[in-house]
Amino acid sequence: AQSVTQLGSHVSVSEGALVLLRCNYSSSVPPYLFWYVQYPNQGLQLLLKYTSAATLVKGINGFEAEFKKSETSFHLTKPSAHMSDAAEYFCAVTLTGGGNKLTFGTGTQLKVEL
Amino acid sequence: GAVVSQHPSWVICKSGTSVKIECRSLDFQATTMFWYRQFPKQSLMLMATSNEGSKATYEQGVEKDKFLINHASLTLSTLTVTSAHPEDSSFYICSAREWVRRGNEQFFGPGTRLTVL
Repeated sequence: AQSVTQLGSHVSVSEGALVLLRCNYSSSVPPYLFWYVQYPNQGLQLLLKYTSAATLVKGINGFEAEFKKSETSFHLTKPSAHMSDAAEYFCAVTLTGGGNKLTFGTGTQLKVEL
Repeated sequence: GAVVSQHPSWVICKSGTSVKIECRSLDFQATTMFWYRQFPKQSLMLMATSNEGSKATYEQGVEKDKFLINHASLTLSTLTVTSAHPEDSSFYICSAREWVRRGNEQFFGPGTRLTVL
């Protein structure tokens, strides 16, 4: 079975500061990993995904994540936070050929302060 | 491309009534659709997976007679909450996948807020 753990349910950064949201995964086979963003009362929007190609994945809105097998991590970063980045972020994992069931982490609420 | 819509976006109903939520893939054919439930400040929990023309596969602990799922066409899946009670109040989100052209990525709808009085 696969799982993801998001460290820190709340992260607060200043506008212009580095954003780092942590995600560690557990999987018995090579995983596919995703980061989604959710704004209040809305569905999920895909930020980026890792599907066993390049380990450094670039996504929308300036976000990127690096797959590190040795650390079983897939942390999400953005060099400079913007007020519009304030939202809930979910890391998710699915197994290759695993019926495509997505398992979500518990989410991290990002707050951006002036 | 890959837009998924849900209707209604919010619904309030009385306890004991049934509510139907629609999930549509607007610009692609969804061979598989997923239904999730999200409680306030919590993550998404998969309720069931439905393949077009087949019976839905429910996750452990999800009552199939309570949450009826129909996926009769490649662009429409419905979730019916039967005899709804206040504990069924939640945010319901669907997603859709088109394996052949888009691989394993799921595209999410905007969600439906259900409040049962």
